[in-house]
Amino acid sequence: GESVGLHLPTLSVQEGDNSIINCAYSNSASDYFIWYKQESGKGPQFIIDIRSNMDKRQGQRVTVLLNKTVKHLSLQIAATQPGDSAVYFCAERGQAGTALIFGKGTTLSVSS
Amino acid sequence: DGGITQSPKYLFRKEGQNVTLSCEQNLNHDAMYWYRQDPGQGLRLIYYSQIVNDFQKGDIAEGYSVSREKKESFPLTVTSAQKNPTAFYLCASSPQTGPYGYTFGSGTRLTVV
Repeated sequence: GESVGLHLPTLSVQEGDNSIINCAYSNSASDYFIWYKQESGKGPQFIIDIRSNMDKRQGQRVTVLLNKTVKHLSLQIAATQPGDSAVYFCAERGQAGTALIFGKGTTLSVSS
Repeated sequence: DGGITQSPKYLFRKEGQNVTLSCEQNLNHDAMYWYRQDPGQGLRLIYYSQIVNDFQKGDIAEGYSVSREKKESFPLTVTSAQKNPTAFYLCASSPQTGPYGYTFGSGTRLTVV
């Protein structure tokens, strides 16, 4: 079935470094992708999204890259801060009218 | 302020009991969703609804039931048929099931005692 996965379950960085969190997806027909941030005991928060007709999208300190050739999605966080420590999920929409499918998440730990 | 509210935050259930988790939104969103999250896992879809009085099963619907009598409300009932109900339950909403981000509630942690 459709699935979204992540390359690494954990990522540890130093404060001020740039972080890159990767995600592989399996459905080449997916047309919409989102990154969410989830802090412990809370619901996920929207970070940034990208449609399949785009390769890159930038937000404040975050960039999402989409490589449809290899079905790969990445989230780049510039100048990572301790407050960025959380679990990050990618999600995809496989078909019109269906719900988002989430990956297992990457735990980002930022040390100061 | 618009948002999505889940209640209660913590819920304890005895074996064999049904319990209902509440989800209310005032965002005027058409679509609503229920996901289950287990420790160290991603979110798995239980049910979703695109419109009032209509809903679809997700990947793990067995042992759960929902209703959508009002646009604002999408309660989830965890029945006694759900063999392993202890988990973190998340409700979300979106304008439609199109390419839109979801707004999530703060979750309900259900524990079977």
